[in-house]
Amino acid sequence: GESVGLHLPTLSVQEGDNSIINCAYSNSASDYFIWYKQESGKGPQFIIDIRSNMDKRQGQRVTVLLNKTVKHLSLQIAATQPGDSAVYFCAEILGGATNKLIFGTGTLLAVQP
Amino acid sequence: NAGVTQTPKFRVLKTGQSMTLLCAQDMNHEYMYWYRQDPGMGLRLIHYSVGEGTTAKGEVPDGYNVSRLKKQNFLLGLESAAPSQTSVYFCASSDRDRVLGYTFGSGTRLTVV
Repeated sequence: GESVGLHLPTLSVQEGDNSIINCAYSNSASDYFIWYKQESGKGPQFIIDIRSNMDKRQGQRVTVLLNKTVKHLSLQIAATQPGDSAVYFCAEILGGATNKLIFGTGTLLAVQP
Repeated sequence: NAGVTQTPKFRVLKTGQSMTLLCAQDMNHEYMYWYRQDPGMGLRLIHYSVGEGTTAKGEVPDGYNVSRLKKQNFLLGLESAAPSQTSVYFCASSDRDRVLGYTFGSGTRLTVV
């Protein structure tokens, strides 16, 4: 079935360094991808999205890269801060009318001061 | 705007008891979703709705029922709670164009003993 998975369950970085979180997806029909940040005890928070007709999108301190050839997504966080510590999920939306979002299992980003 | 509001935030049930979780959104979104999140895992879709009066099954619908009598509300019911339903439940909503992905509530932590 469809699945979205993450290569690294835990990522530890030094404050100020750049972070890269990777994600593999398996459904080539997915046309929209989202990265979410989830802090302890809270719901997922939208970070950035990208549509399948793009290969890169930038936000404030974050960049998402999409490689459809190898079905790979990455989230880059520049100048990582302690407030970036959280679990990060990639998610894909299958094309169609339902907007069903399929989540990966998450990567814990731990920022060391 | 409050966004997506879930009630209650915490609940402890005994096996066999029933309860209803309420989700309310004030963004006039067409689509609403119920997810569950188990420790160390991503979110899994229970049921969803693409409009008032419509509901559909997600990945893990067994043991749950839903209703969408009003556009702004999406109710999740457990008729006979089981320990396997101990989880954190998240409600989300989105518009048709998926602008900014989904908006999530802050979650309901349910324990079934």
